[in-house]
Amino acid sequence: KAGVTQTPRYLIKTRGQQVTLSCSPISGHRSVSWYQQTPGQGLQFLFEYFSETQRNKGNFPGRFSGRQFSNSRSEMNVSTLELGDSALYLCASSPTYGGGAYEQYFGPGTRLTVT
Amino acid sequence: QQQVKQSPQSLIVQKGGISIINCAYENTAFDYFPWYQQFPGKGPALLIAIRPDVSEKKEGRFTISFNKSAKQFSLHIMDSQPGDSATYFCAASRRDDKIIFGKGTRLHILP
Repeated sequence: KAGVTQTPRYLIKTRGQQVTLSCSPISGHRSVSWYQQTPGQGLQFLFEYFSETQRNKGNFPGRFSGRQFSNSRSEMNVSTLELGDSALYLCASSPTYGGGAYEQYFGPGTRLTVT
Repeated sequence: QQQVKQSPQSLIVQKGGISIINCAYENTAFDYFPWYQQFPGKGPALLIAIRPDVSEKKEGRFTISFNKSAKQFSLHIMDSQPGDSATYFCAASRRDDKIIFGKGTRLHILP
């Protein structure tokens, strides 16, 4: 079974621009969660989607948004990029909804650099 | 109340030794405590997890010890090997809520 895939793997953007990241979960998994990983703050939860609905949301500004499609693929969007948005963005899939209370399978991440 | 405090930040252990990483939490509603292992360039991978109805769980060389009254849990890696060198994250969550991660421990096993 293929693992979680994320595209692109690396991205360089300029302050003020917007960016869209994509995640394809493991086949059959219906829950997709997004995380931001930075050296200072560690792994921080952004949001979780299940059956195309956002079920949980972390403490991030409204510039961070996401969506999930009927095939469970998910995208996250960051508008008006700031230097502090530079991070590794990780996507994780799970077979069922339940927040983090079940095993999650992480993708390799998208490394976003904002200049 | 939502924090998970992890220590130490970094750890160096001789090959064959025991690596111990500790975590503490405040929210007594948490009911799932996983540990994730992350290698450079990879996403985290679930290593072992425990629910609060047991005090210890062992899988191979990896053991979680859980102290519900102290609100603490720890990861023990027995017979540590150079291949165990990675960053380890503890986490806590409850059903239908977001997962909270510790800040991570960078473990280096000396050959």
